[in-house]
Amino acid sequence: AQSVAQPEDQVNVAEGNPLTVKCTYSVSGNPYLFWYVQYPNRGLQFLLKYITGDNLVKGSYGFEAEFNKSQTSFHLKKPSALVSDSALYFCAVRDMGDNYGQNFVFGPGTRLSVLP
Amino acid sequence: DAGITQSPRHKVTETGTPVTLRCHQTENHRYMYWYRQDPGHGLRLIHYSYGVKDTDKGEVSDGYSVSRSKTEDFLLTLESATSSQTSVYFCAIRGLMEEKLFFGSGTQLSVL
Repeated sequence: AQSVAQPEDQVNVAEGNPLTVKCTYSVSGNPYLFWYVQYPNRGLQFLLKYITGDNLVKGSYGFEAEFNKSQTSFHLKKPSALVSDSALYFCAVRDMGDNYGQNFVFGPGTRLSVLP
Repeated sequence: DAGITQSPRHKVTETGTPVTLRCHQTENHRYMYWYRQDPGHGLRLIHYSYGVKDTDKGEVSDGYSVSRSKTEDFLLTLESATSSQTSVYFCAIRGLMEEKLFFGSGTQLSVL
């Protein structure tokens, strides 16, 4: 069965500094990987995805993520954090080798706080 | 939120009562999902649907049932609510050729 780990419950970073939110995964087949963001009292919003190709993928709001197959990681990054980036971030994996890839498995979430 | 409406937005109910949550989409997407969100667990899949009258169980399906009688509506029913089902419930949809999920705004359910 697939699983997703986000080792940090909370990440604090100063505005203007680079940020990294970590994610590792475990799947039986080829992974489709995603990052979503959740603002207070809202549903999750898609940020970016990795399906195939270049290991560095770019997404919304200046975020990017790097896929590392050997380390089974998909860390979210941003070169310069904004206070408005403060939110809850979820990593998710879709295991294309399991149940026709219908199951999207989410990590527990990492709360990002960007301090002014 | 991408043409997805969840109702009600908030509900307080008592243990043992039946509860139905509704997800309505205007995108004509094939796939619909119900997740619950709990602190420390992220989102966990309850049930999903891959077409009208076609549904399957997710990771935490015990105590829940679903129905999809038409493309736009996906209902989640708690047959006899328990306090452990207090949670935020999210509906999500996905088109046939889409890779990503689109989420509704959620339903906050409290079972007392």
